[in-house]
Amino acid sequence: DVKVTQSSRYLVKRTGEKVFLECVQDMDHENMFWYRQDPGLGLRLIYFSYDVKMKEKGDIPEGYSVSREKKERFSLILESASTNQTSMYLCASRPSRGKNSGANVLTFGAGSRLTVL
Amino acid sequence: AQKITQTQPGMFVQEKEAVTLDCTYDTSDPSYGLFWYKQPSSGEMIFLIYQGSYDQQNATEGRYSLNFQKARKSANLVISASQLGDSAMYFCAMREGAYNTDKLIFGTGTRLQVFP
Repeated sequence: DVKVTQSSRYLVKRTGEKVFLECVQDMDHENMFWYRQDPGLGLRLIYFSYDVKMKEKGDIPEGYSVSREKKERFSLILESASTNQTSMYLCASRPSRGKNSGANVLTFGAGSRLTVL
Repeated sequence: AQKITQTQPGMFVQEKEAVTLDCTYDTSDPSYGLFWYKQPSSGEMIFLIYQGSYDQQNATEGRYSLNFQKARKSANLVISASQLGDSAMYFCAMREGAYNTDKLIFGTGTRLQVFP
């Protein structure tokens, strides 16, 4: 019944390493999102995508990039990991917002906890 | 400036009592949506309730209701008859942005603990 799958639940990386966080959804959703969650700061939006090969910066895109080559997959890339990127990363998806739609709820993955040493 | 403000980092409530979790928001867009999510210790985000800015009535979903006061820009979550399983982090969120490229902005969360 899992609908949004994040490939790694826990990762430990070293400073300067390139890190890929993968997210796959099987609901044919157009929109996908990457958030990071830190205690006391809530969820902050890093990047989102509303179509294949399309991406939009969120509130904290610095130090991150994304890739969406296929509709079902949205990857978050840390080109050179730093200790301040130690965090929980949450991927989410939802269908595109129809004109009559209301809630259009996000479905979240289980999260990827990244530790950068 | 914070667009979603949750001023209560932590709340305690006794089982079977009602509890209100506060949320205020800031937007100049006349069309917006407000959401509440629950995050138990297992980490998954669970959608609870939604309120659209044009909805005339307050949203309700089982034991959850949203006290929507548009003029005050508040969207408080009310949980009636609290259960031990309600212990979790609760996040308020607001949808903002243009049609089809809109995004959800979250508050910092409130940790609710229900005691017997």
